[in-house]
Amino acid sequence: GESVGLHLPTLSVQEGDNSIINCAYSNSASDYFIWYKQESGKGPQFIIDIRSNMDKRQGQRVTVLLNKTVKHLSLQIAATQPGDSAVYFCAEAYYNQGGKLIFGQGTELSVKP
Amino acid sequence: ETGVTQTPRHLVMGMTNKKSLKCEQHLGHNAMYWYKQSAKKPLELMFVYNFKEQTENNSVPSRFSPECPNSSHLFLHLHTLQPEDSALYLCASSQGGGDEKLFFGSGTQLSVL
Repeated sequence: GESVGLHLPTLSVQEGDNSIINCAYSNSASDYFIWYKQESGKGPQFIIDIRSNMDKRQGQRVTVLLNKTVKHLSLQIAATQPGDSAVYFCAEAYYNQGGKLIFGQGTELSVKP
Repeated sequence: ETGVTQTPRHLVMGMTNKKSLKCEQHLGHNAMYWYKQSAKKPLELMFVYNFKEQTENNSVPSRFSPECPNSSHLFLHLHTLQPEDSALYLCASSQGGGDEKLFFGSGTQLSVL
């Protein structure tokens, strides 16, 4: 079946370091990918997205990399701050299947001061 | 603020109770969604409405009954729930028409006793 999974359930980094959160997906036909951040007591918040015709996209302090050859997605956070502590979800969608997002399990990022 | 408001934030109910969750979006979106989020599990899609019409029921038990009176409001009516239904229920909206980017509310934390 199709699934989106994360390599690590938890990640601990030092404040100021860069963070890399990884995600594997299994549907090679997926053409849209998105990262969400969920802080405690809140719903998921959109961070950044990327379509399959791109391999890199940058936002403010965040970069998403897409490697279609190995079906791998990563989220890089530069100069990680305590406010970045949260659970991060990747999700994939396939436009011809109605574009429904399929979510991964999530990685918990903990930033040490 | 994401533009999607859910009430109540917390709900405790007995298995014989009837209660309703409410969601309102102020984004002018055309699609609304209910998701269930349980601990250690990926987000589970429950229902999708596009232009007030239900377009997806993801094999959800009939004790969950959605209602979408207009494009801005979405309800989830709960009746004779089970303890395993305890979870965070998230509402989301999107532009629709193939726009997969979801905007989530903060959720209702439901406990069924």
